[in-house]
Amino acid sequence: DTEVTQTPKHLVMGMTNKKSLKCEQHMGHRAMYWYKQKAKKPPELMFVYSYEKLSINESVPSRFSPECPNSSLLNLHLHALQPEDSALYLCASRLEPGGGNTEAFFGQGTRLTVV
Amino acid sequence: DAKTTQPTSMDCAEGRAANLPCNHSTISGNEYVYWYRQIHSQGPQYIIHGLKNNETNEMASLIITEDRKSSTLILPHATLRDTAVYYCIVRPGNTGFQKLVFGTGTRLLVSP
Repeated sequence: DTEVTQTPKHLVMGMTNKKSLKCEQHMGHRAMYWYKQKAKKPPELMFVYSYEKLSINESVPSRFSPECPNSSLLNLHLHALQPEDSALYLCASRLEPGGGNTEAFFGQGTRLTVV
Repeated sequence: DAKTTQPTSMDCAEGRAANLPCNHSTISGNEYVYWYRQIHSQGPQYIIHGLKNNETNEMASLIITEDRKSSTLILPHATLRDTAVYYCIVRPGNTGFQKLVFGTGTRLLVSP
């Protein structure tokens, strides 16, 4: 199994809603990532988890709240989002957090629309 | 991460080789060169990576210059399904470094 599974594939939410994005991998990877991608732009790193601990937060607004309940699961909790937060949210995982000799596996993303 | 420079877009005829260049003139000795691609509305897909030597796998070949300041990704027989944005990334090989940061990439269009 070399898949990173993201759910839901599409999500429409109001600015007062609370929702969560889910990411799951069963490859035994110990590093997991959240990225945000706007149309025609490259993915932008948001958070990095290493061994289930948050190790990097790229100055992301607090309305985005990541959580890593176990080594296979990564959540992104959303609250009071703005329309400009509409984007493709990508999850990725790597075998180990450090070291340059292992590739990252990406999920297919959640297309989020904030209305 | 060392910065990379790629052409914004390239065209290739189906069945021909696609050669995608990447400049990474500030690369350090322990930094790997990675290539990913992203087909429209999908997640990025790993293609290949290398440190010093040229590499080949079932998807592509990676040619790294001797001074390591640039590299070329080669898709030997491009198909329409290879139309995508191709990202060249360099990242350190030392333990503890965790980021994977994307540049602007090259939009490759393969035409019949």
